[in-house]
Amino acid sequence: EVLLVDSGGGLVQPGGSLRLSCGASGFSFSGSWMTWVRQAPGKGLEWVANINQDGSEKYYGDSVKGRFTISRDNGKSSLYLQMNRLTVEDTAMYFCARVQKPFARSDYWGQGTLVAVSS
Amino acid sequence: DIQMTQSPSSLSASVGDRVTMTCRASQSVTSYLNWYQQKPGKAPKLLIYAATNLQTGVPSRFSGSGSGTEFTLSIRNLQPEDFATYYCQQTYSSLMYSFGQGTKLEIK
Repeated sequence: EVLLVDSGGGLVQPGGSLRLSCGASGFSFSGSWMTWVRQAPGKGLEWVANINQDGSEKYYGDSVKGRFTISRDNGKSSLYLQMNRLTVEDTAMYFCARVQKPFARSDYWGQGTLVAVSS
Repeated sequence: DIQMTQSPSSLSASVGDRVTMTCRASQSVTSYLNWYQQKPGKAPKLLIYAATNLQTGVPSRFSGSGSGTEFTLSIRNLQPEDFATYYCQQTYSSLMYSFGQGTKLEIK
């Protein structure tokens, strides 16, 4: 069974940092692109970042570019999102998902982890 | 950047109805278009990929059509569990996988 478990969310002050994790099992993690998607309270889905199988390719949404870093540890079957210089606009539920190519469909998702940025 | 626009923003229908919603891209995404269903407090669920392909396990009352810049998601014989928010997502541009703003399907 494919399982993705998101963790690491919490309350952080503006300007602070947080590292999210996504633990994967039940599929070839090292053979899969992965992605982070977020959803602010009451809002729609926003794509955040993608990473390829070996971590050599990374892509970011404009709103997080230069502040967030996506990474992975294939030995631990884990995906990460390092978030720096957080603002209140980063308050959201963050989901990791597996990306299946071709057509880059996100077929399995974590349950999400909530990040709240507030003073 | 490729912008995705969904219409309508909300839609009311009854159990047993057929509904159609639209997703438009600001430039051609060929068939790199996926549809997701999301219920409150839950992660999105993949319904349709590559514009027309039904994801394994998704009921056949869901269907997708279109290519280029205009796409539709249709649901026939609406069931109570289908009332949710639906999002399209383009994955044509590797630099940014953008979502539409969503269509909320409500019970009439």
